[in-house]
Amino acid sequence: EDQVTQSPEALRLQEGESSSLNCSYTVSGLRGLFWYRQDPGKGPEFLFTLYSAGEEKEKERLKATLTKKESFLHITAPKPEDSATYLCAVQAANFGNEKLTFGTGTRLTIIP
Amino acid sequence: NAGVTQTPKFQVLKTGQSMTLQCAQDMNHEYMSWYRQDPGMGLWLIHYSVGAGITDQGEVPNGYNVSRSTTEDFPLRLLSAAPSQTSVYFCASSVGQFSGNTIYFGEGSWLTVV
Repeated sequence: EDQVTQSPEALRLQEGESSSLNCSYTVSGLRGLFWYRQDPGKGPEFLFTLYSAGEEKEKERLKATLTKKESFLHITAPKPEDSATYLCAVQAANFGNEKLTFGTGTRLTIIP
Repeated sequence: NAGVTQTPKFQVLKTGQSMTLQCAQDMNHEYMSWYRQDPGMGLWLIHYSVGAGITDQGEVPNGYNVSRSTTEDFPLRLLSAAPSQTSVYFCASSVGQFSGNTIYFGEGSWLTVV
């Protein structure tokens, strides 16, 4: 059974204090790993897709990396507007979007 | 540029009542799906559709029905509401089932069953 575990559950950082969020996964062959951002009262917003170990993608202050067992979302010099819940999801090989397994998210708070 | 539009935003139902959550997308996406998200939990797939006239069950389909008569619309029907169906419901769409995998989500429908 595919599984996604995100840690920590919640993280409070001072503005400018860099850190990383972790997404550990087990899946029967990985088609893709996804990162989403979710603001309170809103739907998830797509950030990145990673397909193979060693891959990295960047967007502003965020960088996502992937190994064979986990993914990290690195946040460099965060700002208060980066506060949100970050969700990780995996998609198994031989399946499409009907087979996404989501983690429970990391709630990130950036203190000014 | 509306994207994925869900209505209503908030709804309170009594146990046993039925209702329909509406979902429409204007991106001509073939793939649409419904998820539920309970507090502090991830998202669970309820039903999905790979095109007009085609629907299939996800992980938690019991108590819900869907139909897909057009590409744009994918309503979710609660047949006989139960308190366990209190949740936030998200509709989502993507270009295809095996596309670049960018799934676009609506803003959610908050449902409380009392």
